[in-house]
Amino acid sequence: GQNIDQPTEMTATEGAIVQINCTYQTSGFNGLFWYQQHAGEAPTFLSYNVLDGLEEKGRFSSFLSRSKGYSYLLLKELQMKDSASYLCAVSDSNYQLIWGAGTKLIIKP
Amino acid sequence: DTEVTQTPKHLVMGMTNKKSLKCEQHMGHRAMYWYKQKAKKPPELMFVYSYEKLSINESVPSRFSPECPNSSLLNLHLHALQPEDSALYLCASSQDRGGADTQYFGPGTRLTVL
Repeated sequence: GQNIDQPTEMTATEGAIVQINCTYQTSGFNGLFWYQQHAGEAPTFLSYNVLDGLEEKGRFSSFLSRSKGYSYLLLKELQMKDSASYLCAVSDSNYQLIWGAGTKLIIKP
Repeated sequence: DTEVTQTPKHLVMGMTNKKSLKCEQHMGHRAMYWYKQKAKKPPELMFVYSYEKLSINESVPSRFSPECPNSSLLNLHLHALQPEDSALYLCASSQDRGGADTQYFGPGTRLTVL
């Protein structure tokens, strides 16, 4: 079967750093996406990794290890507006997105 | 511009009504998607159109009927829905269906079925 695991909820402090992990087991792999979703709003694209390594984009970075079936999203200098759900999704052998359940990130002052 | 628009933002309908959701993108994307999302759950894929042809139907009940009039527009016709169909309906588009292209989402339609 296909499976993507992420923590259900995480809490962090404004100004700090947080790492959200994602592990996956899918039939085939054509890349891994991270999306941010504020409550009641649509998911917005954050990052895409298809090769091993770290992709940095401003305060957000995403890492991928294909051999370990593992990715993480790193958020630095946390701001209150970063409070949202973070969704990990893998493009499988049919180029269909398999979604994780999402990690709700709570930022405290 | 990575904008996908959806109308209406909110929709309340009875179980005997017929309504339509609309989605539009002008990014030249050739793949368009309908998703359903319940609270605190990830999006569930309903339909995929690739080059204006229906390529994926994830065993969606026939009370949901998609339509792709042209490469920029995607409709979802609703008829005889059930209260459990209440959800956020998201439209997305991507450059092509054949690759792992980024999907860009519209703001969604919040549907309530009474």
